[in-house]
Amino acid sequence: DGGITQSPKYLFRKEGQNVTLSCEQNLNHDAMYWYRQDPGQGLRLIYYSQIVNDFQKGDIAEGYSVSREKKESFPLTVTSAQKNPTAFYLCATKGIYGYTFGSGTRLTVV
Amino acid sequence: DAKTTQPPSMDCAEGRAANLPCNHSTISGNEYVYWYRQIHSQGPQYIIHGLKNNETNEMASLIITEDRKSSTLILPHATLRDTAVYYCIVRVRNTGTASKLTFGTGTRLQVTL
Repeated sequence: DGGITQSPKYLFRKEGQNVTLSCEQNLNHDAMYWYRQDPGQGLRLIYYSQIVNDFQKGDIAEGYSVSREKKESFPLTVTSAQKNPTAFYLCATKGIYGYTFGSGTRLTVV
Repeated sequence: DAKTTQPPSMDCAEGRAANLPCNHSTISGNEYVYWYRQIHSQGPQYIIHGLKNNETNEMASLIITEDRKSSTLILPHATLRDTAVYYCIVRVRNTGTASKLTFGTGTRLQVTL
C-alpha cells in the first residue's frame, strides 16, 4: 500500500542531544512537509520541500534542520538549539489529489 | 496568506448531522478550501476540498458560499467515530513554485450518544 512511514512512533531524548526523525514515502509525491503539534494546538509548519535537494523554512524553523537527498525521504533533525522540542511531529506529502499525513512521532525530552 | 476562523468546539448527537462552519474572508480567487480531521494522536485525514461549487463524497459534503468567504462541512449522520478535531484550511500558494499548507486550531467535534 502507498503511504508515509514515520519512525519511530515514540522517541525520548536527553537535553542537549540532537535527534533525527525519519519520514519515508512511496507515493511518488514531490512535495513533503514537517509539522509540529503541541497539546491542544493546531499544526505549525517547520520545513517543507518541493523537490529533491531543495527545501524552505516554514513558520518555526529555528532549532530544526532537514535534508532532501532522495524523493522518498525527508528526515527532520531536532537540534539542541530547539528550546522546547517535546511535541508531536507530523510528516506530510502533497500529491495531485491533496495532502497525505504520516502517523506521527511523539518526541519527549527527558 | 488567507486565514481561517473556526469555533473551538462543537457537540453533536449521534445520528444527527454535524455542521462545522469556517470563515475565510480573505481567500483569493485561486485558493481552495480543504477540510481535514485529526483523531487523537494520529495524523490528519483528508476529508474533502472545493473551489467554488459544493462538493460531496462518501465522507461529507462541503458547502461554499457564493462569495467564497465562508464554508460549511456537513457530516450527514455523525457517529462516535467522527469525534475529532476538524481543520478548515485554505491552500496558500507562494510566489515561487512551492506551496505550503497552513493549519489553524480547528474545531473539536464531540459526538455524543
